[in-house]
Amino acid sequence: GQNIDQPTEMTATEGAIVQINCTYQTSGFNGLFWYQQHAGEAPTFLSYNVLDGLEEKGRFSSFLSRSKGYSYLLLKELQMKDSASYLCAVADSNYQLIWGAGTKLIIKP
Amino acid sequence: ETGVTQTPRHLVMGMTNKKSLKCEQHLGHNAMYWYKQSAKKPLELMFVYNFKEQTENNSVPSRFSPECPNSSHLFLHLHTLQPEDSALYLCASSQEIGGQETQYFGPGTRLLVL
Repeated sequence: GQNIDQPTEMTATEGAIVQINCTYQTSGFNGLFWYQQHAGEAPTFLSYNVLDGLEEKGRFSSFLSRSKGYSYLLLKELQMKDSASYLCAVADSNYQLIWGAGTKLIIKP
Repeated sequence: ETGVTQTPRHLVMGMTNKKSLKCEQHLGHNAMYWYKQSAKKPLELMFVYNFKEQTENNSVPSRFSPECPNSSHLFLHLHTLQPEDSALYLCASSQEIGGQETQYFGPGTRLLVL
């Protein structure tokens, strides 16, 4: 079967760095997405990786290793507004997105 | 503002009721999606429409009936639902269906079935 694993919850301190991991097993691979979802709001797109390596976008970076079926989202200089759930999703061979259950990130002052 | 709107935002219905959820996208996209989001579970894809044609139906019970009259509007008709259908129903759209196509989500309808 297809499976996406990510931690259920993480806690970090304002101003610090946090890394959210995602491992996947899917039938085919056409890219990996990270979305942010604040409580009661729509998921919003953060990043897309299809090739191995690190993609940097401001305070957020996303890394992919296809051989290991592994990705992480790195958040730097954490701010209180970064408190949200972070969803990992993989596009499979049929271009359907397979989603993880999300990681709830709690930022403490 | 993501360009995808959903109404109503909240809905409470009995098991014998019939109701409809509405989604509208103002992004000029050709693909639209319905997802179910339950607490602490992954997003479940329910239906996909591409150029108004349904391309996916992921074994969704017949008490959920989608309708896509044009590329900008998507409905989900609900009838004789069960309490376990209580969840957040999210609509999304993308330019096309493809691996790198970003999906843009609406704010969702929070559904409670009594």
